[in-house]
Amino acid sequence: ETGVTQTPRHLVMGMTNKKSLKCEQHLGHNAMYWYKQSAKKPLELMFVYSLEERVENNSVPSRFSPECPNSSHLFLHLHTLQPEDSALYLCASSQDHGAGANVLTFGAGSRLTVL
Amino acid sequence: GQNIDQPTEMTATEGAIVQINCTYQTSGFNGLFWYQQHAGEAPTFLSYNVLDGLEEKGRFSSFLSRSKGYSYLLLKELQMKDSASYLCAVRDSNYQLIWGAGTKLIIQP
Repeated sequence: ETGVTQTPRHLVMGMTNKKSLKCEQHLGHNAMYWYKQSAKKPLELMFVYSLEERVENNSVPSRFSPECPNSSHLFLHLHTLQPEDSALYLCASSQDHGAGANVLTFGAGSRLTVL
Repeated sequence: GQNIDQPTEMTATEGAIVQINCTYQTSGFNGLFWYQQHAGEAPTFLSYNVLDGLEEKGRFSSFLSRSKGYSYLLLKELQMKDSASYLCAVRDSNYQLIWGAGTKLIIQP
C-alpha cells in the first residue's frame, strides 16, 4: 500500500468513550501531522511530529492525545469528547518539517461524530 | 492576525475557464500552495508558488503576486471531474501553513 492511510474512515462515539484514530504512511517521510477539518472553516493544525518528536501543539484540548511510536505511524487518542469535536480528522505527512516546499500528502480522513 | 480569503463557492460550465482568487495577509511569506479536495477524499497537491509569476501545469495554472498578497488558480477546459473544493495555503515566516476555508467549485454541463 502506498500514500497515507487512515483508519477508521468513520467513527461514532459517545462523550464518555475512548477511541483512537490511526494513520500510516509508506512514503519515507520524516514529518507527520494531525489536522481538524470542519465545514466551511480553514484546516486547523493540531499536532506536528518531526522525526518522531512532537514539535508543535496548537493549544489543543487535552482530550486529544497524539502518539507517534515511529516515523511511519501516528495515532490520535480520543477521550471524553464533546459534540463540537465532530469533524473530519486528516492526517498528513511531508518529507521534512520547516524550510523548503515540503508538500503535504494527506490521508482521506476519519469522519468523527460525537453524540 | 493572519488571514487567507477565497470565495466560498463558484459555478462554471464544462469546457469553460474559471479563475479562483486567493488573497492573503500573513506574517512573512515562504510560499503559496493550492490543493484540490474532492468530496470525501484527501486533499491533493496542485501547485506551489514562491516567486512572482505564472506556473503552468497542464490545464491548471497558478499565479502569484507577492507585492499584492494575491494568487489565483486558473482552470482551463473544465471537466466534470474538476468539481471539488480548492484550498489555498500560505507558509508564513515561521514556516507555519495558514489555510483558507476553501472554494467549492461546481461544474455544470
